[in-house]
Amino acid sequence: NAGVTQTPKFQVLKTGQSMTLQCAQDMNHEYMSWYRQDPGMGLRLIHYSVGAGITDQGEVPNGYNVSRSTTEDFPLRLLSAAPSQTSVYFCASSYSSAGASYEQYFGPGTRLTVT
Amino acid sequence: GENVEQHPSTLSVQEGDSAVIKCTYSDSASNYFPWYKQELGKRPQLIIDIRSNVGEKKDQRIAVTLNKTAKHFSLHITETQPEDSAVYFCAASGSGGSNYKLTFGKGTLLTVNP
Repeated sequence: NAGVTQTPKFQVLKTGQSMTLQCAQDMNHEYMSWYRQDPGMGLRLIHYSVGAGITDQGEVPNGYNVSRSTTEDFPLRLLSAAPSQTSVYFCASSYSSAGASYEQYFGPGTRLTVT
Repeated sequence: GENVEQHPSTLSVQEGDSAVIKCTYSDSASNYFPWYKQELGKRPQLIIDIRSNVGEKKDQRIAVTLNKTAKHFSLHITETQPEDSAVYFCAASGSGGSNYKLTFGKGTLLTVNP
């Protein structure tokens, strides 16, 4: 199993550009999520999905869109990049059953710089 | 929503000493409390977790305790080693209909000095 994979590893964008961060998992996990990590701020939830076709907002959703057309993939779209979106982005997935939480497996991260 | 506070933000210990990191949470409905370790430039990885029906859990040199009444939980690392140096995050989830959403603390940078 590859686990959770993310592409690209690094990206530099200019203000106003758009892009999609890719995330895929091969563990058949229903739950997937996106976090951003900024120095001193921990991991903050951007968007999450409890299954194909179902997404919801997390703590910091503004400026980001998601969709979940398959169980495996959960892309994160930046519509018009801003310097405040400079961060490290982690995708995570977990097993889910009967409403109980389980270990979240993280991808390797994407380091995004917006100039 | 859930709020998780973590202390201290930095912790420096001598090799062989114990380290304790504490977290408090706000939502009494939370029922799952994982701890993640993140080495520099790497992804967070689960080191131990505990559910609300358990008061303590141990795994070799690592233990977690949970006090549901006080809404706090702690990570204990005994006989620390230089390879324990990393950032540690606590988290909480299990509130209402969003059982899988994790709310993280801001992290503790642990440095173990040889």
